[in-house]
Amino acid sequence: EPEVTQTPSHQVTQMGQEVILRCVPISNHLYFYWYRQILGQKVEFLVSFYNNEISEKSEIFDDQFSVERPDGSNFTLKIRSTKLEDSAMYFCASSEVGAVLDTQYFGPGTRLTVL
Amino acid sequence: AQTVTQSQPEMSVQEAETVTLSCTYDTSENNYYLFWYKQPPSRQMILVIRQEAYKQQNATENRFSVNFQKAAKSFSLKISDSQLGDTAMYFCAFGSGGGADGLTFGKGTHLIIQP
Repeated sequence: EPEVTQTPSHQVTQMGQEVILRCVPISNHLYFYWYRQILGQKVEFLVSFYNNEISEKSEIFDDQFSVERPDGSNFTLKIRSTKLEDSAMYFCASSEVGAVLDTQYFGPGTRLTVL
Repeated sequence: AQTVTQSQPEMSVQEAETVTLSCTYDTSENNYYLFWYKQPPSRQMILVIRQEAYKQQNATENRFSVNFQKAAKSFSLKISDSQLGDTAMYFCAFGSGGGADGLTFGKGTHLIIQP
C-alpha cells in the first residue's frame, strides 16, 4: 500500500541554524500538508500546498517557514533560523483531491530537536 | 473557526472490553468530514475511521465504529473487543472547506488497554 515517507526521522540542530525536512507524498496525490506536534500537545496545521503554491497557512507559519516542491516527488519544509520552540514532531500529509472530499494520509514524522 | 474538544485525557480498560472515546466539535459549516486518528508510541498518525457529515449512517471499520450525532455535534469512537495493540493516543479531527484547509485536531485521549 502506498504511503507517505519522511526523512530524516530525527534531526538535531543548533538554535539559529536552517533545517530542511523532506517528505515524499503518495504519488497520485495532489495536495500536500505540513503539521507539527509539540511534545504532549495536539497536532497543529501549518500549511497546505497545491499546484506549486501555498493554498492555506496558519498563523504559526510565519516568515521563517517556507515550503517547496523541488521536483516531481519531494515536498520540503524549510525553517530558516530555528528557535528552541521549534522543537517538535513535524508531520507531512497528502491527499488525492483536497479537504472535505478526501482523507489526508500522514507520514511517520520527523522529530526536530533544537538545542 | 472550528474547535474540537476531547474531554477525556486518559482512559484505561481491560483487554476485550468495549470502550468509547468522546469528541465534540463546533462549526458553522454544513459540509465537512470527521476523522479519528491513532498515534501509537511510534508517534506515527494512523487513520482509524472517517465520517462524512452528509451521511446519516455511522461509519464502521472492523472493531471500530462511530456514533455521529450531527445536531449535537458529537462524534464518538467505539472500540469493541479491545486489544493490547489499541493502546495509543487517539485524536479526533475535523476537516472542511472547499480547498486544502488543514485538519483541526482535538487534544487527544490516551487509551491504555490493560492485559
